[in-house]
Amino acid sequence: QSVLTQPPSVSGAPGQRVTISCTGSSSNIGADYDVHWYQQLPGTIPKLLIYGNTNRPSGVPDRFSASKSGTSASLAITGLQAEDEAVYYCQSYDGSLSGPWVFGEGTKLTVL
Amino acid sequence: EVQLVESGGGLVQPGWSLRLSCAASGFPFDSYSMHWVRQAPGKGLEWVSYITSSSLTTYYAGSVKGRFTISRDNAKNSLYLQMNSLRVEDTAIYYCVRYGDHYDTSGNYFYFDFWGRGTLVTVSS
Repeated sequence: QSVLTQPPSVSGAPGQRVTISCTGSSSNIGADYDVHWYQQLPGTIPKLLIYGNTNRPSGVPDRFSASKSGTSASLAITGLQAEDEAVYYCQSYDGSLSGPWVFGEGTKLTVL
Repeated sequence: EVQLVESGGGLVQPGWSLRLSCAASGFPFDSYSMHWVRQAPGKGLEWVSYITSSSLTTYYAGSVKGRFTISRDNAKNSLYLQMNSLRVEDTAIYYCVRYGDHYDTSGNYFYFDFWGRGTLVTVSS
């Protein structure tokens, strides 16, 4: 069980907007540690999607955006496309743990 | 082009040992900290271990502390994970991951920017 909580699944129709939440605590997100997001397409390795809470690496479409507030973070995907179907993971740092890098449990996005 | 290629995985029995390797290329390996991250079949990502560029500092997840040892050889552009006393629950794909960084006016950011394709470790009797 991770210290970062994500919904197991979300879904949306093509063209719609979906959001994925990542809820932490005062020892991780709430302690102002950065949140990063990774996308894992079926059968592939994880790929960096968002770094430093809100920043997109080059090549990531601007349909993907993220925010952070308090002890939570959120990933938004607009103009949903079939190729967005994947598992999305949030990741942060937890100062209370001896092994401090933590991932959320992952959210499976299904494009209807 | 950044490349990370893991090797050394396989099928072992509980209690056995295994040493994973990761060959890095396409970037100045000795300038980057590195991690191992694993993913059990059908499950999520789990951070395993971290080592600084100079090997001065290492960290381990509680689930592997005392059993796994991370190391690196900068002269060989290689990262290693020595896994002892393996358990069934260690069964996973093990990824070698670069700890990238970005600096700008809004801050310094550190994140997992490049991932290898992984090597599968199966622990079963």
